[in-house]
Amino acid sequence: QSVLTQPPSVSGAPGQRVTISCTGGSSNIGAGYDVHWYQQLPGTAPKLLIYANSNRPSGVPNRFSGSKSDSSASLAITGLQAEDEADYYCQSYDSSLSDWVFGGGTKLTVL
Amino acid sequence: QLQLQESGPGLVKPSETLSLTCTVSGASINRSSYYWGWIRQPPEKGLEWIGNIYYSGSTYYSPSLKSRVTISVDTSKNQFYLKLTSVIASDTAVYYCARRAGTNYYMDVWGRGTSVTVSS
Repeated sequence: QSVLTQPPSVSGAPGQRVTISCTGGSSNIGAGYDVHWYQQLPGTAPKLLIYANSNRPSGVPNRFSGSKSDSSASLAITGLQAEDEADYYCQSYDSSLSDWVFGGGTKLTVL
Repeated sequence: QLQLQESGPGLVKPSETLSLTCTVSGASINRSSYYWGWIRQPPEKGLEWIGNIYYSGSTYYSPSLKSRVTISVDTSKNQFYLKLTSVIASDTAVYYCARRAGTNYYMDVWGRGTSVTVSS
């Protein structure tokens, strides 16, 4: 069981907006540690999508955005495209575990 | 452009040692702003952080693997390494090497990964 909780799956039609939640606790997100998001396209390595809660690395479309509040974070994808179909993982740091922690991943299906 | 490439045996016997190499190209591993690390992903499962190393040799390991893991670096070869001892079937995974962005807790550049199966 992952320390950070994500929904196993989400779906949306092309052009729609979807959000993926990431819920943590008082020793990770709630303690003020940043949340980061990775996109893993089928058969490929993870790619950094959002860092430090809401920042996009160079080259990531502004259709992707992140936010954080209290012990949770969210990834929003607007203008959904077929190429967005992938697994998405949130990640933070846990001070009680002294460990990097990941969510279990969310599979996004574009209908 | 920075690239990382994992290499090593794809099959390891139970109780033996898993050894992987990550070759960094396009940047010097000596650069003081970055750490280098390993993450793994068991089949059909999520990501698990293994540990990080600084070019000076300072290491940070996941508590769950600390007793079996050693990460080392060879700056002359621009490579860093993973050794995992006493492997069992649940160590079967795709192993990724990656760059950690300074003291931030995320990896910003990843290798393509190498699949390792633990089986006799």
